[in-house]
Amino acid sequence: GNSVTQMEGPVTLSEEAFLTINCTYTATGYPSLFWYVQYPGEGLQLLLKATKADDKGSNKGFEATYRKETTSFHLEKGSVQVSDSAVYFCALITISGGSYIPTFGRGTSLIVHP
Amino acid sequence: ETGVTQSPTHLIKTRGQQVTLRCSSQSGHNTVSWYQQALGQGPQFIFQYYREEENGRGNFPPRFSGLQFPNYSSELNVNALELDDSALYLCASSFSGKEPQHFGDGTRLSIL
Repeated sequence: GNSVTQMEGPVTLSEEAFLTINCTYTATGYPSLFWYVQYPGEGLQLLLKATKADDKGSNKGFEATYRKETTSFHLEKGSVQVSDSAVYFCALITISGGSYIPTFGRGTSLIVHP
Repeated sequence: ETGVTQSPTHLIKTRGQQVTLRCSSQSGHNTVSWYQQALGQGPQFIFQYYREEENGRGNFPPRFSGLQFPNYSSELNVNALELDDSALYLCASSFSGKEPQHFGDGTRLSIL
């Protein structure tokens, strides 16, 4: 079956540091890849996506590139802010025979200190 | 813009009982998906509804069932509750069967 593996958290950084959160996946077919973010006290929301190999998704200074050869979709940001403190979920969606099947990782908590 | 709202926020049931959870999708969204999230885990997909039809189902037994109404709101029904059903249940909405855009805050279900 499909699976998503994320690096263990929490990831603790100082403001303006570079962020990488690793995500690798196993899937049949050609999945679309996503990052979701959950800010404290809020529901998950879509952060960015990529639908085919070598696509780069970006939003709010975050980026992730769909790497088919390494089955990875690592999340990066050049300079984090305290307001980026949240839980980040990597996910994939496959569509097979008209059925829609999403798979989420366990989430990685990010804590940014001033 | 109205977000995704779920009710109730908390619920306590006993084994063998039945439960119904409710979700109102974000304005303009016609697709609803449901997830079960255990503590420290990511959301696990239960099923998705698009235009009142089931459009995908995860690895959950038939005692997990759902409905979507003409106004695109949705219900998740769970029969014959088991202790392992204790979890946070999330609803998410999107447009035209695409990936979930926004999630609700969830219903915390505890089984005694």
